[in-house]
Amino acid sequence: GESVGLHLPTLSVQEGDNSIINCAYSNSASDYFIWYKQESGKGPQFIIDIRSNMDKRQGQRVTVLLNKTVKHLSLQIAATQPGDSAVYFCAEEPQGAQKLVFGQGTRLTINP
Amino acid sequence: ETGVTQSPTHLIKTRGQQVTLRCSSQSGHNTVSWYQQALGQGPQFIFQYYREEENGRGNFPPRFSGLQFPNYSSELNVNALELDDSALYLCASSFSGGAHYEQYFGPGTRLTVT
Repeated sequence: GESVGLHLPTLSVQEGDNSIINCAYSNSASDYFIWYKQESGKGPQFIIDIRSNMDKRQGQRVTVLLNKTVKHLSLQIAATQPGDSAVYFCAEEPQGAQKLVFGQGTRLTINP
Repeated sequence: ETGVTQSPTHLIKTRGQQVTLRCSSQSGHNTVSWYQQALGQGPQFIFQYYREEENGRGNFPPRFSGLQFPNYSSELNVNALELDDSALYLCASSFSGGAHYEQYFGPGTRLTVT
């Protein structure tokens, strides 16, 4: 759903491990979902998207999974690298709405 | 890096003043959306412009207004600034030609209201 609070959930992983970032979305009518990566001082950067008629989509080192039954979205990053350190946001587009609704965000930190 | 640019990068204003932020969309895009991102939170949708008209608005008061120009660039205007308006203002451009469209964000304008 909409972001609340100042304290982002944090995920720490070892370099080279796989990362899984989870997101619960709010609107069952949403039919398009996007993952964004935001580095400090920059705007959100598009990573991967998925439409509601799919449950999995793969990109380069990233996979998005969609579970419409429980309104859950996840982003899997394979072989996490130091450059993956950032805040990751999921966003949903409610059907017919010309806007994105962002989730709370998760800060991913990579341990050497 | 996207082709979306925003100016200025940083801005400091006093409560009660007015501010104009600018955005140039990526080549080939015809739609611009504006978002407000408070510290530690996700972006919140302000409004969207398509064909020089407002095409959807979030939960923001009328003192937030915008324009889109024939070249698809856009402005965000905020009147009677309040301390809570301090945030990163993001512009996102997209092409409204299909059922769904990717939005590409600019680097943002950091507004501080004192």
